[in-house]
Amino acid sequence: DTGVSQNPRHKITKRGQNVTFRCDPISEHNRLYWYRQTLGQGPEFLTYFQNEAQLEKSRLLSDRFSAERPKGSFSTLEIQRTEQGDSAMYLCASSLGSTGEAFFGQGTRLTVV
Amino acid sequence: DQQVKQNSPSLSVQEGRISILNCDYTNSMFDYFLWYKKYPAEGPTFLISISSIKDKNEDGRFTVFLNKSAKHLSLHIVPSQPGDSAVYFCAASDRGSTLGRLYFGRGTQLTVWP
Repeated sequence: DTGVSQNPRHKITKRGQNVTFRCDPISEHNRLYWYRQTLGQGPEFLTYFQNEAQLEKSRLLSDRFSAERPKGSFSTLEIQRTEQGDSAMYLCASSLGSTGEAFFGQGTRLTVV
Repeated sequence: DQQVKQNSPSLSVQEGRISILNCDYTNSMFDYFLWYKKYPAEGPTFLISISSIKDKNEDGRFTVFLNKSAKHLSLHIVPSQPGDSAVYFCAASDRGSTLGRLYFGRGTQLTVWP
């Protein structure tokens, strides 16, 4: 499978716990994005990496959120002290250069109870 | 601040007919536009795109039209098929300054009935 891969697909956690999601982009893609989608909304930008450098962060990304992309390959998104408002689908996408077409993974559905 | 707007949350079309999905944007710096299709519990799938230097792009049954003066684009699906039933998202990018970041509309649920 050469598409964008995200793990886990589903995560249920108790409020206050930490969670970490992983994204494996398409191998030759140098750009990696995290988006969040809630019910009835389109995906909202969270953060962006070019290779290993995190170049942009949305104001949606509070200090409880951190993302990394070591060695410019896979990426992780960690949410500390989860809140019920963090419940959403977390989407990862990758693209090559400035072509514009971002390819999305299947997402991680987070439910905070 | 919703910079990309899809004002129709749903559209129902008979199989074989044309589906027209509409999208408006407010940021005149956007220079690249994309449509994504999304099935439940899956990530968005890229469908078709158009650069601001064009006013039309066609790929099989899918055609995207761009009217820059009106800041409006539309996706035409002809003929519509039941398998086209999904949520369609319009997205826009200012490739010069936003490094490929996409701004999405809220989506339009398309239902194609036999």
